[in-house]
Amino acid sequence: EDKVVQSPLSLVVHEGDTVTLNCSYEVTNFRSLLWYKQEKKAPTFLFMLTSSGIEKKSGRLSSILDKKELFSILNITATQTGDSAVYLCAGHKGAQKLVFGQGTRLTINP
Amino acid sequence: NAGVTQTPKFRVLKTGQSMTLLCAQDMNHEYMYWYRQDPGMGLRLIHYSVGEGTTAKGEVPDGYNVSRLKKQNFLLGLESAAPSQTSVYFCASWEAGGPNTEAFFGQGTRLTVV
Repeated sequence: EDKVVQSPLSLVVHEGDTVTLNCSYEVTNFRSLLWYKQEKKAPTFLFMLTSSGIEKKSGRLSSILDKKELFSILNITATQTGDSAVYLCAGHKGAQKLVFGQGTRLTINP
Repeated sequence: NAGVTQTPKFRVLKTGQSMTLLCAQDMNHEYMYWYRQDPGMGLRLIHYSVGEGTTAKGEVPDGYNVSRLKKQNFLLGLESAAPSQTSVYFCASWEAGGPNTEAFFGQGTRLTVV
């Protein structure tokens, strides 16, 4: 059975801290790993990772995939209150299916 | 560009009532999905479609039916609503074949079954 597990489930930090969110996966016919940010409504796309060891960056956010150990991390540096959200990772498998993890609820306190 | 549009945004049903959620996308995507999101459970796939006229079951299909009569629309039906179906429902669409494309989500439908 396909499985995506995120940790921690919840994280509270102070503004300016750096955080690392984890995502491990066991997905058959794996194609890529996606990260989404969800605030009040629809998830919004952050990154798609298909190759091991290649870091993707967008501003203060970065992510990397390890296809041998079957995990990915999402880093956020110099956190801001606007980074407070639920962060979802998903394994993309054959037949264009996305299997999501439970999400990590990140709270940034001023 | 509207993207993915879900209707309605909110609904309260009584146990046993039926309803249909509509998802419409204007990006000509082949693949469409219905997910439900419950606290602490992430997004769970209910049903999905890989093209007009096709549907397939996801992880939690029981109690739901779907139809994809037109490429741009994907309907999710609840024939006899139960309190366990209280959830937030998200529709998503995806472009077929591309390895570096993302799934686009609608804004969600908050359904309460009393």
